[in-house]
Amino acid sequence: DAKTTQPTSMDCAEGRAANLPCNHSTISGNEYVYWYRQIHSQGPQYIIHGLKNNETNEMASLIITEDRKSSTLILPHATLRDTAVYYCIMNAGGTSYGKLTFGQGTILTVHP
Amino acid sequence: GAVVSQHPSWVICKSGTSVKIECRSLDFQATTMFWYRQFPKQSLMLMATSNEGSKATYEQGVEKDKFLINHASLTLSTLTVTSAHPEDSSFYICSASPLPGVHNSPLHFGNGTRLTVT
Repeated sequence: DAKTTQPTSMDCAEGRAANLPCNHSTISGNEYVYWYRQIHSQGPQYIIHGLKNNETNEMASLIITEDRKSSTLILPHATLRDTAVYYCIMNAGGTSYGKLTFGQGTILTVHP
Repeated sequence: GAVVSQHPSWVICKSGTSVKIECRSLDFQATTMFWYRQFPKQSLMLMATSNEGSKATYEQGVEKDKFLINHASLTLSTLTVTSAHPEDSSFYICSASPLPGVHNSPLHFGNGTRLTVT
């Protein structure tokens, strides 16, 4: 799986949008961009994924650059409960499906 | 949505004893489940892939005789830490998907089991 680079930590005010960047300049053509988050002492929670088009669901939006070398996860209205470690992960599926490579992620702290 | 449940959520055991951790898919069948481990202040690392009806496959550096995996049914995988030692103290997390390999069916994780070996 391609290596990803994320900022170690970020802060966000409650109610504001949280924009979490991820660089994945070595992504290969068949790799999807996945975002998971892990709240303290819990298992990771799936957020969103995409291949090349921007995606939106009830939790977040995913913006992928045209060259696919970077992406941004957007939490439109962050709440205190969004404080967590956010992981950007590349995965091609197939035989590598389920074998996710978790980096150090971004510690997002949402403050009042 | 797909739910993966783990039991127990935490366990304390004495050095040299064995501990069994269960992972269940509650509302779907899982032919494949994945076991991860997370040491304090570190990220998750894949330990092994559990396959229903066949042997598990282990990642490099994971002792298969120490971490016994049994995938006895389509909804249950168990991880047994045998002869546990303090260095096995960790957060063990399982995951599964209703349709493994399908990108629109992402992995769902259990809430983990915190193992402390004294």
